Amino acid sequence: DTAVSQTPKYLVTQMGNDKSIKCEQNLGHDTMYWYKQDSKKFLKIMFSYNNKELIINETVPNRFSPKSPDKAHLNLHINSLELGDSAVYFCASSHRGFYTGELFFGEGSRLTVL
Amino acid sequence: QQQVKQSPQSLIVQKGGISIINCAYENTAFDYFPWYQQFPGKGPALLIAIRPDVSEKKEGRFTISFNKSAKQFSLHIMDSQPGDSATYFCAATTLGNEKLTFGTGTRLTIIP
Repeated sequence: DTAVSQTPKYLVTQMGNDKSIKCEQNLGHDTMYWYKQDSKKFLKIMFSYNNKELIINETVPNRFSPKSPDKAHLNLHINSLELGDSAVYFCASSHRGFYTGELFFGEGSRLTVL
Repeated sequence: QQQVKQSPQSLIVQKGGISIINCAYENTAFDYFPWYQQFPGKGPALLIAIRPDVSEKKEGRFTISFNKSAKQFSLHIMDSQPGDSATYFCAATTLGNEKLTFGTGTRLTIIP
């Protein structure tokens, strides 16, 4: 059973389109994250939710909107896609009450904007 | 602002050799320093971590050395194996903050 699962694994789309990435974790964690990994492999946090509440919101364009329907799910919707949005997006989770610095990552969703 | 600097960007080591990756941080509030390993097509996974109250932590072939006064820490991989070929990220955080700041990554290649 996959601990943190993301769908889809690959997205190829045109500039200006809207797309969503879904994430689910079955670890019982209460905190979930979205990280962006660019072409140079640099990992940067975008958002963090704890029990459906937004707790970290880095300087991400308003075109990115996370949604957490419950603590096991965190989705990412991106409006009006731009070329610079091409990256691998990773979902991750952790347990806030027992946070040890360990994040559990999904396998990533590679977004290519043409 | 890059708060965790990592070097080298890429590293090639012969099988059986020692791989060394270095990181330096700026924020003295950081109190937890994990290392993550990422294989192609996979997400990063925790490899080993250290708190600043110890200068070294060893798990199997992997050792973290920590120098609090210099604000530097490093990962040593002893007897490096081809299966160790991956991208390694150092990271830092303040426990209770939940925000990991990652280094820029090191692509390690172990050659036979």
